[in-house]
Amino acid sequence: DGGITQSPKYLFRKEGQNVTLSCEQNLNHDAMYWYRQDPGQGLRLIYYSQIVNDFQKGDIAEGYSVSREKKESFPLTVTSAQKNPTAFYLCASSIDQGYNSPLHFGNGTRLTVT
Amino acid sequence: AQKITQTQPGMFVQEKEAVTLDCTYDTSDQSYGLFWYKQPSSGEMIFLIYQGSYDEQNATEGRYSLNFQKARKSANLVISASQLGDSAMYFCAMREGLYGGSQGNLIFGKGTKLSVKP
Repeated sequence: DGGITQSPKYLFRKEGQNVTLSCEQNLNHDAMYWYRQDPGQGLRLIYYSQIVNDFQKGDIAEGYSVSREKKESFPLTVTSAQKNPTAFYLCASSIDQGYNSPLHFGNGTRLTVT
Repeated sequence: AQKITQTQPGMFVQEKEAVTLDCTYDTSDQSYGLFWYKQPSSGEMIFLIYQGSYDEQNATEGRYSLNFQKARKSANLVISASQLGDSAMYFCAMREGLYGGSQGNLIFGKGTKLSVKP
């Protein structure tokens, strides 16, 4: 079954530590995305990648970093510079960046930083 | 300015009745797509339905239909014959063309929480 796998489902970290969230897809999609969701809010774009070895900042990239070394993988690192990292993080992919391409999402990672 | 506006933070509907969730959007692009997603309490985002800006017919997928009124820039989701499992957050979203203001990325509204009563 094709899909997007995010791990872990829940993640707890101490303030000041970097943490990396995993995202793997086997849909053969070119484009991948990371979104952040805060309680009662819509999704906000952190980073996106249209192709391997290329990625762009979204609306709230400060304090985050990504890599795209393989088509299937798009890990997100939440650095200690992110002022308010506790949130629900969703990874997504789409065939391409076309306006008619839906995004398919993973099940999310809930990060708590104390 | 908000590109996607969902004015109903919460809605209630009786089981087996139809419900309409409102969505208005703002774009100057000619080419764009409108999407609806469902997010149950477990958190995953489930793609429900898509409408393209050039599509003349309203999109339908099973019990879901999209009431697309281009001149009014509205893309309301209609769920017919509501079921208890329809209780969830519903998000309206838009993708503009690659050279539009959002570089082809999906922009979300703040969502509507739908509760289906037995």
